[in-house]
Amino acid sequence: AQSVTQLGSHVSVSEGALVLLRCNYSSSVPPYLFWYVQYPNQGLQLLLKYTSAATLVKGINGFEAEFKKSETSFHLTKPSAHMSDAAEYFCAVSDGGSNYKLTFGKGTLLTVNP
Amino acid sequence: GAVVSQHPSRVICKSGTSVKIECRSLDFQATTMFWYRQFPKQSLMLMATSNEGSKATYEQGVEKDKFLINHASLTLSTLTVTSAHPEDSSFYICSAGPPGGGNIQYFGAGTRLSVL
Repeated sequence: AQSVTQLGSHVSVSEGALVLLRCNYSSSVPPYLFWYVQYPNQGLQLLLKYTSAATLVKGINGFEAEFKKSETSFHLTKPSAHMSDAAEYFCAVSDGGSNYKLTFGKGTLLTVNP
Repeated sequence: GAVVSQHPSRVICKSGTSVKIECRSLDFQATTMFWYRQFPKQSLMLMATSNEGSKATYEQGVEKDKFLINHASLTLSTLTVTSAHPEDSSFYICSAGPPGGGNIQYFGAGTRLSVL
């Protein structure tokens, strides 16, 4: 069984500040890990993915995440927040099975203050 | 990336009517699609896995007679909410992933269902 825990349902940062969104996972097999972003009343957009290649993964819009097996973590970071980054962020895990089933965390709402 | 189209984006219906939501993969074939339900300010809850040419696999607690899923072709899955009631009001999202795409799921824009 897989699970995802996102620490902090709401993170608030100032524009230009570091963004850190936390994600810890549990998986009985080597996981595939994803970060998705959701803007209001929209579907989810893939930010980045980890699929057992490089542990530091770079995604779109300046985001990156580091896979740390020893800590079972996959935290999302961005050096400098922009107002347009305000959205809901979801971490998800897949066991890599052929049906691509995803298990999502509860999400973290990021607000960016001017 | 791959494109998944979902239609309609919003639907308002009367209690007791049925509503059909379509999910299409526009530039790839999808043998498997997923249907999620999202309550306000909450995460996505997987409802069912839609399998082309066979019956859908429903998650525990999801009424299969209430939420009918049909995956008649490699590019189209439909979710029909039968005899909708106000408690079915929610945001429904579908996803699909291209074969060999590294387990990546691409999501539709979602459907906001409001049952009066």
